[in-house]
Amino acid sequence: QVELVQSGAEVKRPGASVTVSCKSSGFTFTAYYVHWLRQAPGQGLQWMGRIQSYGGGPHYAQEFQGRLNLTRDLSTTTVYMELTGLTSDDTAVYFCARGRVAAAGTIRSYFDNWGQGTRVTVSA
Amino acid sequence: IVLTQSPGTLSVSPGETATLSCRASQRLNLNYLAWYQQKPGQAPKLLIYSASRRATGVPDRFSGTGSGTDFTLSISTLEPEDSAIYFCHQYNDAPDTFGQGTRLDIK
Repeated sequence: QVELVQSGAEVKRPGASVTVSCKSSGFTFTAYYVHWLRQAPGQGLQWMGRIQSYGGGPHYAQEFQGRLNLTRDLSTTTVYMELTGLTSDDTAVYFCARGRVAAAGTIRSYFDNWGQGTRVTVSA
Repeated sequence: IVLTQSPGTLSVSPGETATLSCRASQRLNLNYLAWYQQKPGQAPKLLIYSASRRATGVPDRFSGTGSGTDFTLSISTLEPEDSAIYFCHQYNDAPDTFGQGTRLDIK
């Protein structure tokens, strides 16, 4: 079955960086986009960016331009999310999710499978 | 695009029907709207995509309707395990945005 398994919780100081991994299995890794989203305490979901598993560059939400870096490792079917310059506002649960494109020829996607989430706490 | 969900909290008895609303600040011309269920400490689960298409394995008690700016998720014959927060998500226009959620309590 489709699975996305994320790395464990992290506690970071302000100004530090964090890297969260998302290992995929149960589907053809190269056929899908992987997206990253986050959910701050008591808040809704926020889309951060996406990466193509089969080539091409990542795409980031404007808010995260310059401090978000998404990479992939085809040999291990793993996607990595690095966020730099952490502040307390980055305290959240981070999710990876598999994107299903709405129609051929578009990149607009809904999210049909999710990782379990990784809690990142930023505190001095 | 801002998605506004209402009500914020809904309390309904088992066996009844819950109706959740999601209103978009701009028209979703392709009706690319999804609904997710999230239980405490869990990842969201896809229920509905393209406004009305049920995801694989989702019971037919869950149904999505609407178009343009007004969308509805209906859950019939409510069961205790339906207690959760329900989010709508528009993927019609970049960037993707989500509603703030409706908390559904089955009392």
